Amino acid sequence: EDKVVQSPLSLVVHEGDTVTLNCSYEVTNFRSLLWYKQEKKAPTFLFMLTSSGIEKKSGRLSSILDKKELFSILNITATQTGDSAIYLCAVVGSNSGYALNFGKGTSLLVTP
Amino acid sequence: DTGVSQDPRHKITKRGQNVTFRCDPISEHNRLYWYRQTLGQGPEFLTYFQNEAQLEKSRLLSDRFSAERPKGSFSTLEIQRTEQGDSAMYLCASSLVMGPYSNQPQHFGDGTRLSIL
Repeated sequence: EDKVVQSPLSLVVHEGDTVTLNCSYEVTNFRSLLWYKQEKKAPTFLFMLTSSGIEKKSGRLSSILDKKELFSILNITATQTGDSAIYLCAVVGSNSGYALNFGKGTSLLVTP
Repeated sequence: DTGVSQDPRHKITKRGQNVTFRCDPISEHNRLYWYRQTLGQGPEFLTYFQNEAQLEKSRLLSDRFSAERPKGSFSTLEIQRTEQGDSAMYLCASSLVMGPYSNQPQHFGDGTRLSIL
Protein backbone atom coordinates (compact mmCIF):
# COMPACT_ATOMS: atom_id res chain seq x y z
CA GLU A 1 0.00 0.00 0.00
CA ASP A 2 1.24 3.48 -0.87
CA LYS A 3 2.54 5.46 2.09
CA VAL A 4 3.58 9.09 2.63
CA VAL A 5 5.25 10.23 5.85
CA GLN A 6 5.91 13.88 6.59
CA SER A 7 8.16 15.28 9.27
CA PRO A 8 8.10 17.13 11.49
CA LEU A 9 4.35 17.13 12.14
CA SER A 10 4.59 20.63 13.55
CA LEU A 11 7.16 23.37 13.70
CA VAL A 12 7.37 26.83 15.27
CA VAL A 13 9.99 29.27 13.94
CA HIS A 14 10.71 32.99 14.10
CA GLU A 15 10.24 35.27 11.16
CA GLY A 16 13.36 35.24 9.01
CA ASP A 17 14.33 31.66 9.81
CA THR A 18 14.84 29.02 7.12
CA VAL A 19 12.84 25.81 7.40
CA THR A 20 13.10 22.41 5.76
CA LEU A 21 10.10 20.13 5.58
CA ASN A 22 10.52 16.45 4.81
CA CYS A 23 8.43 13.95 2.91
CA SER A 24 9.31 10.27 2.49
CA TYR A 25 7.21 7.89 0.47
CA GLU A 26 6.60 4.36 -0.68
CA VAL A 27 4.58 4.04 -3.84
CA THR A 28 4.11 1.50 -6.61
CA ASN A 29 5.28 2.85 -9.96
CA PHE A 30 5.93 6.43 -8.94
CA ARG A 31 4.50 9.09 -11.24
CA SER A 32 4.89 12.37 -9.35
CA LEU A 33 5.19 14.06 -5.96
CA LEU A 34 3.31 17.25 -5.21
CA TRP A 35 3.48 19.88 -2.48
CA TYR A 36 0.46 21.91 -1.40
CA LYS A 37 -0.03 24.71 1.12
CA GLN A 38 -3.25 24.67 3.13
CA GLU A 39 -4.38 27.61 5.18
CA LYS A 40 -7.98 27.61 6.29
CA LYS A 41 -9.50 26.46 3.05
CA ALA A 42 -8.38 24.77 -0.15
CA PRO A 43 -4.95 23.24 -0.52
CA THR A 44 -3.13 25.46 -3.00
CA PHE A 45 -0.65 23.92 -5.40
CA LEU A 46 3.05 24.71 -4.89
CA PHE A 47 5.20 22.23 -6.84
CA MET A 48 5.03 19.03 -8.82
CA LEU A 49 8.21 16.95 -9.03
CA THR A 50 8.77 14.04 -11.35
CA SER A 51 12.55 13.88 -11.84
CA SER A 52 15.30 13.41 -9.30
CA GLY A 53 17.73 16.17 -8.55
CA ILE A 54 15.97 18.99 -10.36
CA GLU A 55 15.13 21.82 -8.01
CA LYS A 56 11.87 23.64 -8.46
CA LYS A 57 11.84 27.20 -7.17
CA SER A 58 9.21 29.85 -6.62
CA GLY A 59 10.31 32.93 -4.74
CA ARG A 60 11.44 31.90 -1.27
CA LEU A 61 10.16 28.34 -1.70
CA SER A 62 12.06 25.51 -3.33
CA SER A 63 11.73 21.76 -3.51
CA ILE A 64 13.74 18.80 -4.71
CA LEU A 65 13.08 15.10 -5.17
CA ASP A 66 15.35 12.10 -4.59
CA LYS A 67 13.80 9.07 -6.30
CA LYS A 68 16.55 6.75 -5.20
CA GLU A 69 16.12 7.49 -1.49
CA LEU A 70 12.36 8.10 -1.90
CA PHE A 71 12.05 11.51 -0.32
CA SER A 72 11.50 15.15 -1.06
CA ILE A 73 12.20 18.34 0.85
CA LEU A 74 10.48 21.68 0.78
CA ASN A 75 12.61 24.65 1.81
CA ILE A 76 11.31 28.03 2.82
CA THR A 77 13.90 30.79 3.29
CA ALA A 78 13.40 34.09 5.13
CA THR A 79 10.07 32.90 6.53
CA GLN A 80 7.21 35.36 6.99
CA THR A 81 4.10 35.12 9.16
CA GLY A 82 2.10 34.57 5.97
CA ASP A 83 3.94 31.27 5.51
CA SER A 84 2.08 29.87 8.53
CA ALA A 85 0.03 26.98 7.17
CA ILE A 86 -0.12 23.24 6.83
CA TYR A 87 2.17 21.94 4.11
CA LEU A 88 0.94 18.76 2.48
CA CYS A 89 2.97 16.29 0.46
CA ALA A 90 1.24 13.87 -1.90
CA VAL A 91 2.37 11.18 -4.31
CA VAL A 92 0.79 9.70 -7.41
CA GLY A 93 1.47 6.09 -8.32
CA SER A 94 0.04 3.70 -10.85
CA ASN A 95 -2.07 1.80 -8.30
CA SER A 96 -4.20 4.83 -7.54
CA GLY A 97 -4.87 6.00 -11.06
CA TYR A 98 -4.18 9.70 -10.80
CA ALA A 99 -5.44 10.05 -7.23
CA LEU A 100 -3.26 11.91 -4.75
CA ASN A 101 -2.07 9.98 -1.70
CA PHE A 102 -1.38 12.57 1.00
CA GLY A 103 0.73 12.60 4.13
CA LYS A 104 -0.63 14.08 7.34
CA GLY A 105 1.04 17.40 6.69
CA THR A 106 3.46 19.63 8.57
CA SER A 107 1.89 22.46 10.53
CA LEU A 108 4.20 25.49 10.34
CA LEU A 109 3.78 28.50 12.60
CA VAL A 110 5.96 31.54 11.94
CA THR A 111 6.01 33.96 14.86
CA PRO A 112 6.86 37.67 14.51
CA ASP B 1 -10.18 33.70 -12.20
CA THR B 2 -12.69 30.85 -12.04
CA GLY B 3 -11.20 28.13 -9.90
CA VAL B 4 -12.94 25.07 -8.50
CA SER B 5 -16.09 26.04 -6.63
CA GLN B 6 -18.02 23.99 -4.13
CA ASP B 7 -21.45 24.45 -2.64
CA PRO B 8 -22.49 24.69 0.13
CA ARG B 9 -19.52 25.83 2.18
CA HIS B 10 -20.99 24.44 5.37
CA LYS B 11 -23.68 21.87 6.02
CA ILE B 12 -25.08 20.92 9.42
CA THR B 13 -27.55 18.08 9.53
CA LYS B 14 -28.98 15.49 11.86
CA ARG B 15 -27.79 11.90 11.82
CA GLY B 16 -29.77 9.81 9.38
CA GLN B 17 -30.47 12.62 6.91
CA ASN B 18 -29.27 12.66 3.32
CA VAL B 19 -26.97 15.40 2.08
CA THR B 20 -25.76 16.41 -1.38
CA PHE B 21 -22.76 18.54 -2.28
CA ARG B 22 -21.93 20.13 -5.60
CA CYS B 23 -18.59 20.79 -7.27
CA ASP B 24 -17.96 22.93 -10.35
CA PRO B 25 -14.48 22.23 -11.72
CA ILE B 26 -12.24 24.54 -13.72
CA SER B 27 -14.05 24.69 -17.05
CA GLU B 28 -11.54 23.01 -19.35
CA HIS B 29 -10.61 20.28 -16.87
CA ASN B 30 -11.71 16.77 -17.78
CA ARG B 31 -10.81 15.06 -14.50
CA LEU B 32 -12.70 15.63 -11.27
CA TYR B 33 -11.81 14.15 -7.90
CA TRP B 34 -13.48 13.96 -4.49
CA TYR B 35 -11.50 13.76 -1.25
CA ARG B 36 -12.41 13.77 2.43
CA GLN B 37 -10.32 15.46 5.09
CA THR B 38 -10.63 15.13 8.86
CA LEU B 39 -8.82 17.17 11.49
CA GLY B 40 -5.10 16.50 11.63
CA GLN B 41 -5.10 14.35 8.51
CA GLY B 42 -4.30 14.91 4.89
CA PRO B 43 -7.11 14.59 2.34
CA GLU B 44 -8.14 11.00 1.55
CA PHE B 45 -9.17 10.01 -1.95
CA LEU B 46 -12.78 8.98 -2.47
CA THR B 47 -13.43 8.81 -6.22
CA TYR B 48 -12.65 10.39 -9.56
CA PHE B 49 -14.24 11.00 -12.95
CA GLN B 50 -12.80 11.32 -16.42
CA ASN B 51 -15.43 13.43 -18.17
CA GLU B 52 -18.71 11.72 -17.15
CA ALA B 53 -17.22 8.27 -16.42
CA GLN B 54 -16.51 7.34 -12.82
CA LEU B 55 -13.19 5.49 -13.18
CA GLU B 56 -12.18 4.66 -9.62
CA LYS B 57 -13.71 4.45 -6.18
CA SER B 58 -11.83 4.12 -2.91
CA ARG B 59 -12.84 1.45 -0.42
CA LEU B 60 -13.59 4.44 1.86
CA LEU B 61 -16.60 5.10 -0.35
CA SER B 62 -19.27 2.99 1.35
CA ASP B 63 -22.55 2.17 -0.37
CA ARG B 64 -24.12 5.16 1.38
CA PHE B 65 -22.00 7.42 -0.82
CA SER B 66 -22.72 8.06 -4.46
CA ALA B 67 -21.18 10.50 -6.89
CA GLU B 68 -22.22 11.60 -10.35
CA ARG B 69 -20.94 13.81 -13.11
CA PRO B 70 -23.80 13.55 -15.58
CA LYS B 71 -22.62 15.84 -18.36
CA GLY B 72 -18.93 15.79 -17.68
CA SER B 73 -19.04 19.23 -16.09
CA PHE B 74 -20.22 19.67 -12.48
CA SER B 75 -20.36 16.77 -10.05
CA THR B 76 -22.49 15.89 -7.04
CA LEU B 77 -21.61 13.78 -4.03
CA GLU B 78 -24.51 12.38 -2.04
CA ILE B 79 -24.33 10.78 1.37
CA GLN B 80 -27.39 8.84 2.46
CA ARG B 81 -28.34 8.07 6.07
CA THR B 82 -25.52 10.20 7.43
CA GLU B 83 -23.56 9.00 10.46
CA GLN B 84 -21.46 11.00 12.90
CA GLY B 85 -18.32 9.55 11.37
CA ASP B 86 -19.18 11.31 8.13
CA SER B 87 -18.33 14.67 9.71
CA ALA B 88 -15.41 16.00 7.69
CA MET B 89 -14.37 18.48 5.03
CA TYR B 90 -15.27 17.22 1.56
CA LEU B 91 -12.87 18.57 -1.04
CA CYS B 92 -13.23 18.56 -4.78
CA ALA B 93 -10.31 18.93 -7.18
CA SER B 94 -9.93 19.03 -10.94
CA SER B 95 -7.17 18.63 -13.48
CA LEU B 96 -6.60 18.43 -17.22
CA VAL B 97 -5.37 15.06 -18.48
CA MET B 98 -4.41 14.96 -22.13
CA GLY B 99 -3.06 11.44 -22.61
CA PRO B 100 -1.87 8.31 -20.77
CA TYR B 101 1.31 9.98 -19.57
CA SER B 102 -0.18 13.37 -18.88
CA ASN B 103 0.79 14.66 -15.49
CA GLN B 104 -0.92 17.86 -14.45
CA PRO B 105 -1.50 19.07 -10.89
CA GLN B 106 -4.91 18.94 -9.29
CA HIS B 107 -6.48 22.21 -8.16
CA PHE B 108 -8.77 22.17 -5.15
CA GLY B 109 -11.95 23.95 -4.18
CA ASP B 110 -12.52 25.40 -0.72
CA GLY B 111 -14.48 22.36 0.37
CA THR B 112 -17.80 21.66 2.05
CA ARG B 113 -17.57 21.23 5.82
CA LEU B 114 -20.14 18.68 6.97
CA SER B 115 -21.17 18.46 10.61
CA ILE B 116 -23.48 15.68 11.77
CA LEU B 117 -25.40 16.35 14.96
